[in-house]
Amino acid sequence: GAVVSQHPSRVICKSGTSVKIECRSLDFQATTMFWYRQFPKKSLMLMATSNEGSKATYEQGVEKDKFLINHASLTLSTLTVTSAHPEDSSFYICSASGRDEQFFGPGTRLTVL
Amino acid sequence: GENVEQHPSTLSVQEGDSAVIKCTYSDSASNYFPWYKQELGKRPQLIIDIRSNVGEKKDQRIAVTLNKTAKHFSLHITETQPEDSAVYFCAASIENTGNQFYFGTGTSLTVIP
Repeated sequence: GAVVSQHPSRVICKSGTSVKIECRSLDFQATTMFWYRQFPKKSLMLMATSNEGSKATYEQGVEKDKFLINHASLTLSTLTVTSAHPEDSSFYICSASGRDEQFFGPGTRLTVL
Repeated sequence: GENVEQHPSTLSVQEGDSAVIKCTYSDSASNYFPWYKQELGKRPQLIIDIRSNVGEKKDQRIAVTLNKTAKHFSLHITETQPEDSAVYFCAASIENTGNQFYFGTGTSLTVIP
């Protein structure tokens, strides 16, 4: 299957700082990427749908000014958690859409102190 | 929108026994149903999928059945092995509409040696 990378895999930051997470599709062009948040032993919660060249579509309850998404190219989408707080600590996973399958990145563990 | 429910949330079986996980969906337009396996701290991996034009699909020890009328689909794992222990997620989507997936809440499967 296709390869999707995420960087960084782990990040620890202080409360109030911003953190950027990158999601790359390495061997195919993804017009659509998805960002999920996952709490321990819980399901994948869709945060937003990221379309190349246009504004992201956010799910209800997800603050677009808090979670900034940029999809500037067909192989890269970024999620920036602005002014992070401890409650933002979570596992963030991106996925890139193929013909009908989604290929997931390895995830980013964010810890906000 | 689509609502996917998954049961059970946890499942323990003896090695060699079968495991069955069930999902229901609400949107009759959904026509693609993948199943993902996620090991602790890792990305979800597609293990099998089914489209609405078939009722059953099998791949070695794994099979999926779909009942479109009742809007439910199930994952069957036979001759379970300890390495099958993981969290399994079902999902529903409508193909060719941006591939947004609606995930179930997950089933934590433990195979006891």
